[in-house]
Amino acid sequence: NAGVTQTPKFQVLKTGQSMTLQCAQDMNHNSMYWYRQDPGMGLRLIYYSASEGTTDKGEVPNGYNVSRLNKREFSLRLESAAPSQTSVYFCATSGHYQETQYFGPGTRLLVL
Amino acid sequence: KQEVTQIPAALSVPEGENLVLNCSFTDSAIYNLQWFRQDPGKGLTSLLLIQSSQREQTSGRLNASLDKSSGRSTLYIAASQPGDSATYLCAVRPMETSGSRLTFGEGTQLTVNP
Repeated sequence: NAGVTQTPKFQVLKTGQSMTLQCAQDMNHNSMYWYRQDPGMGLRLIYYSASEGTTDKGEVPNGYNVSRLNKREFSLRLESAAPSQTSVYFCATSGHYQETQYFGPGTRLLVL
Repeated sequence: KQEVTQIPAALSVPEGENLVLNCSFTDSAIYNLQWFRQDPGKGLTSLLLIQSSQREQTSGRLNASLDKSSGRSTLYIAASQPGDSATYLCAVRPMETSGSRLTFGEGTQLTVNP
């Protein structure tokens, strides 16, 4: 089992470009999450999907959109990247909202 | 708004020492508290999860306690090893009827010196 996978591992964008971060899990979990991690700010929730077909905003959703494509996949899209979106992005999953979360290896994004 | 604080921000100890990492949170209305480990350039690995009704959880050399009323948790690491060097984060899940938000602390960076 691969667990939680994220692509790409690293990306450089110019301001205004768009891109989609991909996350896939083979753990048969219902819930999936997108976080960003910044020095001095810790990990902050961007969006989450409690189950297939539902998505909700987290703490810092502005500038992002998400798609829960199916039970396995949850993508995060930046429509017009800004330097403030330079960060490390983590996808996570859990089987139930009270259970532990399992994290992917992260995507390092640099917006110039 | 729930806030999670971890003190100290960094800790350096000699190998073999027992140590305690601290986590405090401002709102005691939580479902559970989790401790994670993060190695440099890696994702987070769950270490222990304590439900709000529990007082502690143990896994090997790790023991986590929870005092919900005072808004505190500790992670005790016995007989520390160089391989324990990493950043340790705690996170709380608030009592909400919808969603699954974890609020994280900024972590304690632990270095265990051989």
